[in-house]
Amino acid sequence: DTGVSQDPRHKITKRGQNVTFRCDPISEHNRLYWYRQTLGQGPEFLTYFQNEAQLEKSRLLSDRFSAERPKGSFSTLEIQRTEQGDSAMYLCASSRTSGWGNEQFFGPGTRLTVL
Amino acid sequence: DQQVKQNSPSLSVQEGRISILNCDYTNSMFDYFLWYKKYPAEGPTFLISISSIKDKNEDGRFTVFLNKSAKHLSLHIVPSQPGDSAVYFCAASGNAGNMLTFGGGTRLMVKP
Repeated sequence: DTGVSQDPRHKITKRGQNVTFRCDPISEHNRLYWYRQTLGQGPEFLTYFQNEAQLEKSRLLSDRFSAERPKGSFSTLEIQRTEQGDSAMYLCASSRTSGWGNEQFFGPGTRLTVL
Repeated sequence: DQQVKQNSPSLSVQEGRISILNCDYTNSMFDYFLWYKKYPAEGPTFLISISSIKDKNEDGRFTVFLNKSAKHLSLHIVPSQPGDSAVYFCAASGNAGNMLTFGGGTRLMVKP
C-alpha cells in the first residue's frame, strides 16, 4: 500500500510534555499538509510544505508548534509544552504540485490526548 | 468566520434512494471544491471534485453540482447504499493544491 502513513496512531501525554508525530506522504507527491480536527468539526489547516520548504502557516500554529520536512520526504510535527486544548486528531495529507486534479490524500491521523 | 458551511449536521436516507448533501461558501476566491468521506478512526477519503469553470462533475454514483452565483454546491449519491453511511465534508481551495478550508461535516445514515 503506498498511501499516506502516520505514526503513532494514538498518543496520550501529560500536560507540559513534548510530543512529535511523523507523516510519510505518497512517494511521488511534492506537497505535504498538516491539519487538525477536533470533535464535531471539519479539519483545520495548520501548515504545508512544497518539497522541503514550508510555504504557509496558519494563525492556529502557535510558537509551541513546529513542523519540518528536512529532505522533502517525510515530515514531523512537534508540539512543545502540550496543553489540554491541543487534544485533537492531527491529519497529514499529500498531493502533487498544484494544478487541477491534484487532490489531497489524507493519512489515518494521529489522535492526541493531553491529560 | 466560517467560510465553508454545511448546515445539516445529519441526514437519513433509505437504501436505494437519492442522498443530497449541501454546502455553502462565502469566499468568492474559492475556485476548486472537493468532497471527502470519513469513517470513524480513519482519515478523510477523497470522493469527487469540481473546478469553478464547471457546474457539474459525475463519477459513478456520485455527482457534484456547483452554483457559483449562489455560492452553493451539492453532492448527489444515487442510489444510496448502507456502505455510504459516513461523515461527508465539503472543502474549498483558492488554488488547486493549496490549503483546503473544510465545512463542519454532515453525517449520512443510509438505512437498509
